[in-house]
Amino acid sequence: AQSVTQLGSHVSVSEGALVLLRCNYSSSVPPYLFWYVQYPNQGLQLLLKYTSAATLVKGINGFEAEFKKSETSFHLTKPSAHMSDAAEYFCAVSDQSGGYNKLIFGAGTRLAVHP
Amino acid sequence: NAGVTQTPKFQVLKTGQSMTLQCAQDMNHEYMSWYRQDPGMGLRLIHYSVGAGITDQGEVPNGYNVSRSTTEDFPLRLLSAAPSQTSVYFCASSYSAQGGSPLHFGNGTRLTVT
Repeated sequence: AQSVTQLGSHVSVSEGALVLLRCNYSSSVPPYLFWYVQYPNQGLQLLLKYTSAATLVKGINGFEAEFKKSETSFHLTKPSAHMSDAAEYFCAVSDQSGGYNKLIFGAGTRLAVHP
Repeated sequence: NAGVTQTPKFQVLKTGQSMTLQCAQDMNHEYMSWYRQDPGMGLRLIHYSVGAGITDQGEVPNGYNVSRSTTEDFPLRLLSAAPSQTSVYFCASSYSAQGGSPLHFGNGTRLTVT
């Protein structure tokens, strides 16, 4: 079965610093991978997705993620953090057992951005 | 375009009570699902549906029931509420039930069971 591990439940960066949120997945088939962001008291919004077209995926708000099959990783990065990036971020893999689109989520990483 | 709409936003129940969480989407999406979100555990899939009249269990289905009589609506029923069901519940939909289709989420229902 597919699974997702997000390293670090809390990450704190300075405004303008690099953001790196780590995600490792386990999948027996080529995976579909996603990053979602959740702002307080809201639902999840899609940041980006990997569907095998390109290993470097660009998303909204300046985020990007690189799929590395050899490392089974899909880390999320942003060159320069903004205060508005403070939120919780979730990595997810599509569990296609049975042929259907069941997303399996990691536990989440809360990003704090300080001045 | 409203997207995915969940009601109510907040609910407090006593142990043993039943209730229905409503979810509606106006995007003609084929696939709908319910997740619960608990601190430190991410989101866990409760039930899902790949079309009207078709539902199946996810990772944590016990204590919950669903039906899908129309494409638009996918209510979640708590049969006899327990404190362990205190959580934030999210409904999500996607245009296809096939892998790779991103989910669109509602804003959640915060449920407390006392």
